[in-house]
Amino acid sequence: GQQLNQSPQSMFIQEGEDVSMNCTSSSIFNTWLWYKQDPGEGPVLLIALYKAGELTSNGRLTAQFGITRKDSFLNISASIPSDVGIYFCAGRQGGSEKLVFGKGTKLTVNP
Amino acid sequence: GAVVSQHPSRVICKSGTSVKIECRSLDFQATTMFWYRQFPKQSLMLMATSNEGSKATYEQGVEKDKFLINHASLTLSTLTVTSAHPEDSSFYICSASDRGGQPQHFGDGTRLSIL
Repeated sequence: GQQLNQSPQSMFIQEGEDVSMNCTSSSIFNTWLWYKQDPGEGPVLLIALYKAGELTSNGRLTAQFGITRKDSFLNISASIPSDVGIYFCAGRQGGSEKLVFGKGTKLTVNP
Repeated sequence: GAVVSQHPSRVICKSGTSVKIECRSLDFQATTMFWYRQFPKQSLMLMATSNEGSKATYEQGVEKDKFLINHASLTLSTLTVTSAHPEDSSFYICSASDRGGQPQHFGDGTRLSIL
């Protein structure tokens, strides 16, 4: 099935550093979502984006819905050890309720 | 916020056993729920869309007779893995949204291990 192109695949950073990851697609999406998954658990919603160009923050997290509707990025500022996990982007097209997922970005934060 | 509960969190059973996994929306009604499968170090793959009061819609390549879905009420969907074999071992996750157009919220997943 269709997947979003998510990068980077993994990141190793020092505590306090900023992080950026993104998702791109060849198709247009009308909703972009960012989730975080900890080992052995289900994904938890971080940010939802509904309009092209929309920039939304949730604490230290900021995400944007690309103006072309084919991409989105997630930034994490001043990373802390509990930011460790796998971050997934997900998109929804047209009138469908189905989500298309990226392959994930595994974040490791060194104290 | 919308809370989705999944049970059991872990199942270990012998080959040939059928296993039922429950997905409940705790504080909202969900006419649609989704079932995903996730292999180690991989992304979520949609298996089927569960529709309250009607048949589930399965993704291409997913055997509907193998993975039985029942969505008998607005707060409960079940996935039954029939005659499970070791290759069915995986992490199964359900999700639901509290209304159309809203983000899906996920359960905590079920780790299924078939010996």
